[in-house]
Amino acid sequence: DADVTQTPRNRITKTGKRIMLECSQTKGHDRMYWYRQDPGLGLRLIYYSFDVKDINKGEISDGYSVSRQAQAKFSLSLESAIPNQTALYFCATSDRRWPSGSLDEQFFGPGTRLTVL
Amino acid sequence: AQKITQTQPGMFVQEKEAVTLDCTYDTSDQSYGLFWYKQPSSGEMIFLIYQGSYDEQNATEGRYSLNFQKARKSANLVISASQLGDSAMYFCAMREAGGGGNKLTFGTGTQLKVEL
Repeated sequence: DADVTQTPRNRITKTGKRIMLECSQTKGHDRMYWYRQDPGLGLRLIYYSFDVKDINKGEISDGYSVSRQAQAKFSLSLESAIPNQTALYFCATSDRRWPSGSLDEQFFGPGTRLTVL
Repeated sequence: AQKITQTQPGMFVQEKEAVTLDCTYDTSDQSYGLFWYKQPSSGEMIFLIYQGSYDEQNATEGRYSLNFQKARKSANLVISASQLGDSAMYFCAMREAGGGGNKLTFGTGTQLKVEL
């Protein structure tokens, strides 16, 4: 089984609808992240969470909210979806440890392709 | 200013040849990390290689090596003996020590196509 899972994998919705993207991980990591990927722009950070009680805005948080229900679960919500939120969304996790110079890579889920009509 | 710059939107290489994908970065931190990820057409993000700012030697992982030139703030990925399966989008990313650490800033990516 995959260590980082995302549901749904694909979603088509209409403008104004509320939608939730879910992320679960079995890696036991404290830190979780939501990114969106747009063609030509790379990945941009939406929100990140260092533990259940610590949630932080990223570079492009407007129009999004998140919930960290448990260490293993981190959900992203679009309260009222709009067409320019059409993108590929990634969840990622990393371990708490980061002494200077260590790897502590981020592990990505498979992505959710969201289309807002 | 862009924190991570990848100036090559697309690259072509012949099978079995080596290819260099460019990445320059901008940071005032002394402690930072540089990552390369591969994204095949299936969409998943695959970690390839990491270089810490204090690492004195260039990182290597199999056919991947990172040409780290700290003074020039560049972290180019070198893929040796290219294979058809290397065709993918490649992203350079940086982690800086400030702001709580471990947030990644990504470049816009380079689409690599390996040809026969």
